Amino acid sequence: SQELEQSPQSLIVQEGKNLTINCTSSKTLYGLYWYKQKYGEGLIFLMMLQKGGEEKSHEKITAKLDEKKQQSSLHITASQPSHAGIYLCGAEVSTYKYIFGTGTRLKVLA
Amino acid sequence: DTAVSQTPKYLVTQMGNDKSIKCEQNLGHDTMYWYKQDSKKFLKIMFSYNNKELIINETVPNRFSPKSPDKAHLNLHINSLELGDSAVYFCASSQDSNLYEQYFGPGTRLTVT
Repeated sequence: SQELEQSPQSLIVQEGKNLTINCTSSKTLYGLYWYKQKYGEGLIFLMMLQKGGEEKSHEKITAKLDEKKQQSSLHITASQPSHAGIYLCGAEVSTYKYIFGTGTRLKVLA
Repeated sequence: DTAVSQTPKYLVTQMGNDKSIKCEQNLGHDTMYWYKQDSKKFLKIMFSYNNKELIINETVPNRFSPKSPDKAHLNLHINSLELGDSAVYFCASSQDSNLYEQYFGPGTRLTVT
């Protein structure tokens, strides 16, 4: 079955550093979603990417979907402690069929 | 006011019992969802309703039954609870049915003993 692989599984960075999280599929995706979950809380929708090569930004977070629509990267610039949490990617693999990545736990040291 | 609310926040119950989790959204959205997140944080979409019509019905045991009395409410009823049902259940809503700009509830932590 199709899966979404996220890397790294966990990440610890010093405040102010940049970081990148990847989400990879073996097949072409219809759409790619990024979510953030603070520890012990609900999920927050960050952004959705649909077109190959598309790039979107939200504050200091930028996400891009590659041309083949099989990989997305989430980049955080000048990380802050408020960025800490679990980042999840999700994807539409066929009409109304969605799968989710395994999550990346991010810790930002002040 | 809370956009997407769930009750209860915590639910501890014994195997074999029947329980319900309620979800309400006051955003005027047309689509509502139920997700399950297990202890390893794996997230899985379970159901989705658009204007009270079931549009996503993933492979989940038929002990799980969603009920949407109106488009602002999507309740989850679980019969004959099993240990493996222990998880955090999230409700969410969005205007369209493609997961775009979803708003999530705070989650209901279900523990089956």
